[in-house]
Amino acid sequence: EVQLVETGGGLVQPGKSLKLTCATSGFTFSTAWMHWVRQSPEKRLEWIARIKDKSNNYATDYVESVKGRFTISRDDSKSSVYLQMNSLKEEDTATYYCTTSAYWGQGTLVTVSS
Amino acid sequence: DIQMTQSPASLSASLGETVTIECRASEDIYNGLAWYQQKPGKSPQLLIYNANSLHTGVPSRFSGSGSGTQYSLKINSLQSEDVASYFCQQYYDYPWTFGGGTKLELK
Repeated sequence: EVQLVETGGGLVQPGKSLKLTCATSGFTFSTAWMHWVRQSPEKRLEWIARIKDKSNNYATDYVESVKGRFTISRDDSKSSVYLQMNSLKEEDTATYYCTTSAYWGQGTLVTVSS
Repeated sequence: DIQMTQSPASLSASLGETVTIECRASEDIYNGLAWYQQKPGKSPQLLIYNANSLHTGVPSRFSGSGSGTQYSLKINSLQSEDVASYFCQQYYDYPWTFGGGTKLELK
């Protein structure tokens, strides 16, 4: 059974940092391209980052609104993908999902507020 | 970025009815389109990929069609478990972008 489990969300002040983890199982993680997608409180979905596999040099891509602030990474030995979020803004408040596109985690809520 | 315009934003239908949701891309996305179903408090679940391919385990009453910039999701013989929000998403080009969603309710 494919499983993706996100952790690391919570309440954080503007300007602070947070790191999300997505632990996976049930599929060949090492060859999968992994993504982070977020859903705002208004329920709008926004793709934010992707990391390719080793054969594609772990290439990354980001949506413009998070470039320079967020970093996606992976550890194939742990079948996990990460999202380091720096300089957080109130508009980053959302539920964050990791996904292969075919399979999604349950999400972790990030609230940015003073 | 490719803009995805989804319609209608909400829809009310009766059990057994056929429902169609539309999605229009701001440019040709060459069938790089997926449809997701999301139930309250749950994560999105893939229904359709490549515009018309049914994901594993998805009931055959769901179907996708379209090409170029115009795509649609059809649900035949609406069931109570189909009450959910539906989103289209293009993956032809980065950044991937989503439609605004359609909330489907029972009449």
